[in-house]
Amino acid sequence: QQQVKQSPQSLIVQKGGISIINCAYENTAFDYFPWYQQFPGKGPALLIAIRPDVSEKKEGRFTISFNKSAKQFSLHIMDSQPGDSATYFCAASRRNTDKLIFGTGTRLQVFP
Amino acid sequence: DAGITQSPRHKVTETGTPVTLRCHQTENHRYMYWYRQDPGHGLRLIHYSYGVKDTDKGEVSDGYSVSRSKTEDFLLTLESATSSQTSVYFCAISMTGAEQYFGPGTRLTVT
Repeated sequence: QQQVKQSPQSLIVQKGGISIINCAYENTAFDYFPWYQQFPGKGPALLIAIRPDVSEKKEGRFTISFNKSAKQFSLHIMDSQPGDSATYFCAASRRNTDKLIFGTGTRLQVFP
Repeated sequence: DAGITQSPRHKVTETGTPVTLRCHQTENHRYMYWYRQDPGHGLRLIHYSYGVKDTDKGEVSDGYSVSRSKTEDFLLTLESATSSQTSVYFCAISMTGAEQYFGPGTRLTVT
């Protein structure tokens, strides 16, 4: 049972463009939504995270937008750079639990 | 990699043999996790630990066992390796259970 659905599977963006990756969840008890970035041959690294008390969180060129009523959240990468080329995973966890449920990942390629 | 090491980093083994992967942390985090990563499946939780000798199953625990006798070490054992267990295995640690930090991974091939 996939509780976090991520799209698209792959994304190609030109340098300077905006990359947008979307995730949808089913369980309204989820209250923590992180994004991870993974480069080839490396472990996933925590990039940015949001809780449902805010609709947006920005860190540098990375922004999470959160829509509680639609049960969706997305990652926006502004001014995308070739160095952003990686696989991105969204995840979610329920309050009072200690486990993350991951999406299936999006492979982002940014071309010069 | 947030004070996490995994060993070995690469292993090739034969079907039916037991295999043990080790995760070692220097952060004194309470929670430790084992995931497997396969194309099209993202990261799937195998087992996790919420303290010394306290472990629980994840969504893909069949064929795997774990042990945690010290805060810093979390062992994953494949009791009798099968080709379907060919994967990349990641260990993660967390202070709270929410923010998780991953190790560099172990690539396991079962022939």
